[in-house]
Amino acid sequence: ELKVEQNPLFLSMQEGKNYTIYCNYSTTSDRLYWYRQDPGKSLESLFVLLSNGAVKQEGRLMASLDTKARLSTLHITAAVHDLSATYFCAVSFTGTASKLTFGTGTRLQVTL
Amino acid sequence: NAGVTQTPKFQVLKTGQSMTLQCAQDMNHNSMYWYRQDPGMGLRLIYYSASEGTTDKGEVPNGYNVSRLNKREFSLRLESAAPSQTSVYFCASSTGAATNEKLFFGSGTQLSVL
Repeated sequence: ELKVEQNPLFLSMQEGKNYTIYCNYSTTSDRLYWYRQDPGKSLESLFVLLSNGAVKQEGRLMASLDTKARLSTLHITAAVHDLSATYFCAVSFTGTASKLTFGTGTRLQVTL
Repeated sequence: NAGVTQTPKFQVLKTGQSMTLQCAQDMNHNSMYWYRQDPGMGLRLIYYSASEGTTDKGEVPNGYNVSRLNKREFSLRLESAAPSQTSVYFCASSTGAATNEKLFFGSGTQLSVL
């Protein structure tokens, strides 16, 4: 069974702190996505990771992929309130963007 | 740029009623998708269309039908709505070809079935 698990499910952190969201998946894949969703809004693509060891960074967010461990991380550096949202990882088991399997999401709340 | 446009944004149905959710994209994308999102869960794929003229089942296709009307439009139909279909529905599209392709999502349709 294809499974994508994220943890934590909920994260409350203070501004200025660092933290990491983890995404584990059950079957070999070489394509992993991270999305952001603001309350009541649609999903916004953050990163596409295509190979083992891939690392991408934008602003205070950095994503990495370890295909051997079947693990991706989303690291938040010096969090700010604007990063409050729900973050989803999604894995493709077909080699394309079709049939993505999403994790349950991590709701991030950054407090002032 | 409009991107992916879904209509309607909200809908309330009674059990047994039918309706069609519309989706259109203006990015000349080949692939289109319908997902549902339930509280506290990630998105689950209902149907997708890799290219014009083709459709395939996703993870949760039961109770739904789709039509890829042309390259731009991909509709989702509920023939006989059930309370279990209360959800937020997202349409998405992608190029379907590039190695780093990503999905572009519409703004969603919140559907309640009473």
